[in-house]
Amino acid sequence: KQEVTQIPAALSVPEGENLVLNCSFTDSAIYNLQWFRQDPGKGLTSLLLIQSSQREQTSGRLNASLDKSSGRSTLYIAASQPGDSATYLCAVGGLGTSGSRLTFGEGTQLTVNP
Amino acid sequence: DTEVTQTPKHLVMGMTNKKSLKCEQHMGHRAMYWYKQKAKKPPELMFVYSYEKLSINESVPSRFSPECPNSSLLNLHLHALQPEDSALYLCASSQRGVSLSGTEAFFGQGTRLTVV
Repeated sequence: KQEVTQIPAALSVPEGENLVLNCSFTDSAIYNLQWFRQDPGKGLTSLLLIQSSQREQTSGRLNASLDKSSGRSTLYIAASQPGDSATYLCAVGGLGTSGSRLTFGEGTQLTVNP
Repeated sequence: DTEVTQTPKHLVMGMTNKKSLKCEQHMGHRAMYWYKQKAKKPPELMFVYSYEKLSINESVPSRFSPECPNSSLLNLHLHALQPEDSALYLCASSQRGVSLSGTEAFFGQGTRLTVV
């Protein structure tokens, strides 16, 4: 069974700092990995999708990397802003015992202080 | 347009009520999902529909009944719920199943359900 772990569980940084969020998974037989952002009480917003054949993806100040063989992904946020404050979830796309699914980590709660 | 629309945004229901949650997407996606999320926890998969057919039921109690009337719509019918069923219910869609490389999942804003 796939297990996804995110470290740290919470992170508080001053505005302008560059930061890294970590995601690890136990089964390297994945098809893709997706990073999401979730504001309190809201739905999930897709940030980046990395296919299993890719090493990284970039969108604006965000860069996500994937090392499938070691079961790790990182989300790099450059020049953080207070508006980046949210919970960041990584999810691994793969085949579970009963079919295609996304398996989520517990998330990293990010606070960027002005 | 990458929007998944869920209605209602908030729902309060008694334990004897029957209500339905609705989800709609117009991206031509053929896979649709229901997730349940409790506070400060990750989303948990409930059901997956692929090409309007139920492909995954994660042993969800029968008081939750999904329905996919067409490729754009997904409903979740609720009956005789318990207070512990109170949660954020999220709908998602993807072009194909997420096990296929490159398929991105899009989520709605969720329905905040409170069972009293």
